[in-house]
Amino acid sequence: GENVEQHPSTLSVQEGDSAVIKCTYSDSASNYFPWYKQELGKGPQLIIDIRSNVGEKKDQRIAVTLNKTAKHFSLHITETQPEDSAVYFCAASRDTGGFKTIFGAGTRLFVKA
Amino acid sequence: NAGVTQTPKFRILKIGQSMTLQCAQDMNHNYMYWYRQDPGMGLKLIYYSVGAGITDKGEVPNGYNVSRSTTEDFPLRLELAAPSQTSVYFCASSLGTPGWGTEAFFGQGTRLTVV
Repeated sequence: GENVEQHPSTLSVQEGDSAVIKCTYSDSASNYFPWYKQELGKGPQLIIDIRSNVGEKKDQRIAVTLNKTAKHFSLHITETQPEDSAVYFCAASRDTGGFKTIFGAGTRLFVKA
Repeated sequence: NAGVTQTPKFRILKIGQSMTLQCAQDMNHNYMYWYRQDPGMGLKLIYYSVGAGITDKGEVPNGYNVSRSTTEDFPLRLELAAPSQTSVYFCASSLGTPGWGTEAFFGQGTRLTVV
């Protein structure tokens, strides 16, 4: 079946450094790729998303890149801050041939002050 | 603005008991979803609904039932609780399908333990 692989599972960076999380998906019909941030005891919250007709999207310190040929997309956080510490999930969605969203297993990001 | 509200936040069930997890949204969203999140894993879709009166199975529907009698409410029913259903359950809603880039809003979650 379809899956989304996410790496690394844990990432520790120094405050001010950049963090990169990578995901690979298998369903070639996926056309929407959101990234969620989940803080302890809370539900996931959308932080950025990208559609399949776009290669890159940026929102302040956060950017996402998509390579449809390689079925690969990445989250980039620059100038990390302690409040960026959380679990980050990528997902791949499609709405053709039946609705489906597959989540990655998550990356626990620690930003050390 | 409440968003997506889930109740209860925590629950311990004995094997074989039943319960209903409640979910309500006040954003007039058409789409609603139930996910489960197991430790160290991503979210897996249990059931979803595209509007009142319409529900469909997700990846892991066995052992669960849902109903959608109103736009606002989407309860999840566990009929015969099993230890394998120990998990954190999240309800979510969106205006349209994620494929059209509409944001999914999540509730705070319900932590369920079956003993």
